Amino acid sequence: AQSVTQLDSQVPVFEEAPVELRCNYSSSVSVYLFWYVQYPNQGLQLLLKYLSGSTLVKGINGFEAEFNKSQTSFHLRKPSVHISDTAEYFCAVSSFGNEKLTFGTGTRLTIIP
Amino acid sequence: NAGVTQTPKFQVLKTGQSMTLQCAQDMNHNSMYWYRQDPGMGLRLIYYSASEGTTDKGEVPNGYNVSRLNKREFSLRLESAAPSQTSVYFCASSVGLAGQQFFGPGTRLTVL
Repeated sequence: AQSVTQLDSQVPVFEEAPVELRCNYSSSVSVYLFWYVQYPNQGLQLLLKYLSGSTLVKGINGFEAEFNKSQTSFHLRKPSVHISDTAEYFCAVSSFGNEKLTFGTGTRLTIIP
Repeated sequence: NAGVTQTPKFQVLKTGQSMTLQCAQDMNHNSMYWYRQDPGMGLRLIYYSASEGTTDKGEVPNGYNVSRLNKREFSLRLESAAPSQTSVYFCASSVGLAGQQFFGPGTRLTVL
């Protein structure tokens, strides 16, 4: 079985400060990893994904994530956040042989002016 | 290109009433999904359809039925609504099961 743990349910950050949202996964086979963002009262949209290849993945809006197989992590980072980054962020995993996405419980990012 | 559309956007039901949530995609995707989102629980898969003509249960299928009407449309039916089904429901689609999923705007359902 596969699972995802997002360690922080809420993260407050000052505007223009860096941020890291943590995600750990569990799976016994090769994984595909995703970060989705949900702005207030909207559906989810893809920020970035790791399927294979380079472990550092760049996404939209200046976000990036690094796949670390030994630590089973896929943390999301941004060097300088803006008010517009206020949203809920979901990490998700699928794996070879179990391609349905399993989502974490989400991290609510709040930007403090 | 509208992507994934869902109707209705909002709905209030009384316990025991039935309703169908509609979903359509215009991206020629093979796979479609229904999720529910509850505070602190992330998204949980209710049912999915890997391809036209097939449907399978997800993590929380009890109390729901689905129909993959054609490649474009995937509906979710609540036969006898219960307050525990108060939630936000999202439809999604993807090229294949392992691919990026595209989400609709959601349906906010309240069951009194």
